[in-house]
Amino acid sequence: DTGVSQNPRHKITKRGQNVTFRCDPISEHNRLYWYRQTLGQGPEFLTYFQNEAQLEKSRLLSDRFSAERPKGSFSTLEIQRTEQGDSAMYLCASSETRPGELFFGEGSRLTVL
Amino acid sequence: GNSVTQMEGPVTLSEEAFLTINCTYTATGYPSLFWYVQYPGEGLQLLLKATKADDKGSNKGFEATYRKETTSFHLEKGSVQVSDSAVYFCALRAYNQGGKLIFGQGTELSVKP
Repeated sequence: DTGVSQNPRHKITKRGQNVTFRCDPISEHNRLYWYRQTLGQGPEFLTYFQNEAQLEKSRLLSDRFSAERPKGSFSTLEIQRTEQGDSAMYLCASSETRPGELFFGEGSRLTVL
Repeated sequence: GNSVTQMEGPVTLSEEAFLTINCTYTATGYPSLFWYVQYPGEGLQLLLKATKADDKGSNKGFEATYRKETTSFHLEKGSVQVSDSAVYFCALRAYNQGGKLIFGQGTELSVKP
């Protein structure tokens, strides 16, 4: 197993454009989490899935953000009408249903010009 | 609400020096506590954890003891190496919160030869 995989690793976009990030978790992990990390800060929770069900969304997840995990495997995080304040590292993590350790991917860095 | 506070960095030490990174938390109930490490250019990795009061987590020479009376989980290492240079994050997982982690802001450690 190669761990949690995220793509693309880096995305540069212009303000107002839509972007989508993909996360492939560790194959036997039922839970999948999205976090956002800005420079000099710790990761902030955005949302998580148990299989295909989205069970919690943070208030940080505005209407422009949507996450899906349609078949309970990979997940996508889409940001519509990007703003400069969306520039951050977007982290994905996965775990077993009874969580012990969260396994993180290397992140997808978004730069909004 | 649940939160984690870490000492501010950066922390700069000479090789073989003693390391302490302070971490305190606020949580209802009895959270599990974690230290994650992020080496340059890499994803977050679990360093150690403790799931109940007075537990000591340890790994790679690092230790942290879950102190319920002081709501603390300070990270220590007796003799740091240049390879320990990284950003260290303290985190908690509250009971019945879907397994998500709440992180502190991170403490950057730089070890000089």
